[in-house]
Amino acid sequence: SQQGEEDPQALSIQEGENATMNCSYKTSINNLQWYRQNSGRGLVHLILIRSNEREKHSGRLRVTLDTSKKSSSLLITASRAADTASYFCATASGGSYIPTFGRGTSLIVHP
Amino acid sequence: DSGVTQTPKHLITATGQRVTLRCSPRSEDLSVYWYQQSLDQGLQFLIHYYNGEERAKGNILERFSAQQFPDLHSELNLSSLELGDSALYFCASSSRTGRQETQYFGPGTRLLVL
Repeated sequence: SQQGEEDPQALSIQEGENATMNCSYKTSINNLQWYRQNSGRGLVHLILIRSNEREKHSGRLRVTLDTSKKSSSLLITASRAADTASYFCATASGGSYIPTFGRGTSLIVHP
Repeated sequence: DSGVTQTPKHLITATGQRVTLRCSPRSEDLSVYWYQQSLDQGLQFLIHYYNGEERAKGNILERFSAQQFPDLHSELNLSSLELGDSALYFCASSSRTGRQETQYFGPGTRLLVL
């Protein structure tokens, strides 16, 4: 079963707008990671946030983590057409270091 | 470019056949992970090798096997193929086994079983 579940399943926005994707998970985690996948390609690591962190930034990306709600969000600001991709959250929990991936949010940014 | 290579890029074969997928990790990485990605199951972890030894198994079928060689490249063997094995197979490498590790994914092998 999937540990992390992304929401929404699909998101369509205009270039320049912000995109927010959410990830909810069921059990306590060690860390949470966000990955991007362009159509048919391999996943690319975007950002890792540890369970004791609440917010992290990387360029136009902002990730938050709320362990009390067991959720994380990924915000992409000033989106570009090149941001069109699927975005996955991955969690590692308990004694496991193996990340479990959600089904992803498909983001389309229209130029 | 992640530095992880996978061959072949595409593979078309028939049911009942056997195929071998190959992965070369980044030069500094000792760990190799294999994943299967299909539309209905999402991205599923199959197996993890570290420096030649199997470290963890996920949802890997008995018809599937893998190994990591002394030069650290890895092969995933899929046998008695079924239609449902059609999927994208990714390998990923990372520099250590630990709680905070980033995985670097290869471009994948797209397998189509007819």
